[in-house]
Amino acid sequence: DTGVSQDPRHKITKRGQNVTFRCDPISEHNRLYWYRQTLGQGPEFLTYFQNEAQLEKSRLLSDRFSAERPKGSFSTLEIQRTEQGDSAMYLCASSPSTDNTEAFFGQGTRLTVV
Amino acid sequence: AQSVTQLDSQVPVFEEAPVELRCNYSSSVSVYLFWYVQYPNQGLQLLLKYLSGSTLVKGINGFEAEFNKSQTSFHLRKPSVHISDTAEYFCAVSRAGYNKLIFGAGTRLAVHP
Repeated sequence: DTGVSQDPRHKITKRGQNVTFRCDPISEHNRLYWYRQTLGQGPEFLTYFQNEAQLEKSRLLSDRFSAERPKGSFSTLEIQRTEQGDSAMYLCASSPSTDNTEAFFGQGTRLTVV
Repeated sequence: AQSVTQLDSQVPVFEEAPVELRCNYSSSVSVYLFWYVQYPNQGLQLLLKYLSGSTLVKGINGFEAEFNKSQTSFHLRKPSVHISDTAEYFCAVSRAGYNKLIFGAGTRLAVHP
């Protein structure tokens, strides 16, 4: 395992459709984060898992968004009834449980809603 | 709450010239500071981080940054840039003891021959 893996890398979907993204963190990392990055902006925090427990969710994560990490390994981020404003890069990061260690980022999933 | 301001959205510079990318933060609690680099259509790679100790931090690719608590700044510097340094650079802060990162809007560094 050489890093954080995200799938797919690109997704084009029609408005109103549901989409699901997957993140596979570095295998020994307990912490997993999702961020959203819109064009010309820095990443914004969406949610955070410690093992399988979702410990924090941003108010950016509306009711249409849901994230899971069922076995404390990979995570999925689902967006229901997509809107054009959901178009963004969705980044996943993982880190060991030791505080303030570097967070390792995946290459992201770029979502385009048409 | 913490926030980060990157004072320049774009910085053009000639190859082999020095560069400084400016970052200011605000926080009512102790923080840790980070600089990340993002190449086109890629994720973020950590350049360097300040947790405690010496205020001058050295990172990868010849970059360094200085933490200035009184000015709440964490500016990134490189004495001589290369074409390959062309990328987006993000300053980020996290509350001490907590991993969630708050990012600035980014600075696009464009290195010209």
